Amino acid sequence: GNSVTQMEGPVTLSEEAFLTINCTYTATGYPSLFWYVQYPGEGLQLLLKATKADDKGSNKGFEATYRKETTSFHLEKGSVQVSDSAVYFCAHGGGGSQGNLIFGKGTKLSVKP
Amino acid sequence: GAGVSQSPRYKVAKRGQDVALRCDPISGHVSLFWYQQALGQGPEFLTYFQNEAQLDKSGLPSDRFFAERPEGSVSTLKIQRTQQEDSAVYLCASSPWGLAGGLGDTQYFGPGTRLTVL
Repeated sequence: GNSVTQMEGPVTLSEEAFLTINCTYTATGYPSLFWYVQYPGEGLQLLLKATKADDKGSNKGFEATYRKETTSFHLEKGSVQVSDSAVYFCAHGGGGSQGNLIFGKGTKLSVKP
Repeated sequence: GAGVSQSPRYKVAKRGQDVALRCDPISGHVSLFWYQQALGQGPEFLTYFQNEAQLDKSGLPSDRFFAERPEGSVSTLKIQRTQQEDSAVYLCASSPWGLAGGLGDTQYFGPGTRLTVL
């Protein structure tokens, strides 16, 4: 069935470190892929998306590439900041004909100064 | 512009009570989704509206859960005879397009309602 698997956290990094959060998915067809972020005390916000194979989504220094051959959408950032501390959710839009999202369990990132 | 709003932000209910959770989507958005997020988990789909029509309620966990969107804008999720396992954050999301938008239109989330059932 449809699912999203992302690396378990928590992930703790020092400021300016390189970040990778792995995400793989199973889906029928080729739905759009998303990373959402949840900052402490706030709601889910869209971080980036990719709508077709080989597309790269990017925002705020974060990037992820839609890899159809490996069914992956790994999130990367070259130099994290303390303000990036949050929970990151990978998702795909293939939950139904209306495109409801299928989410991973989330990865908590803590960045230390 | 205003985003998706939800009320109340926090709700404490005694087991067996009925609760009603409100969602105000972004004005003009056709699609509205409800999700349930248990502690430490990702959101899980509950139900979907296209305008006032509830087209998918496959994610509702039991017949105690009921949702409506009578005029195609504001939506209410009602839980009857609440149980402890209903404790979660309930998220509402909206998107501009209906089914014609395809698989993967961006959804805009509200801040959620945290329900605690004692």
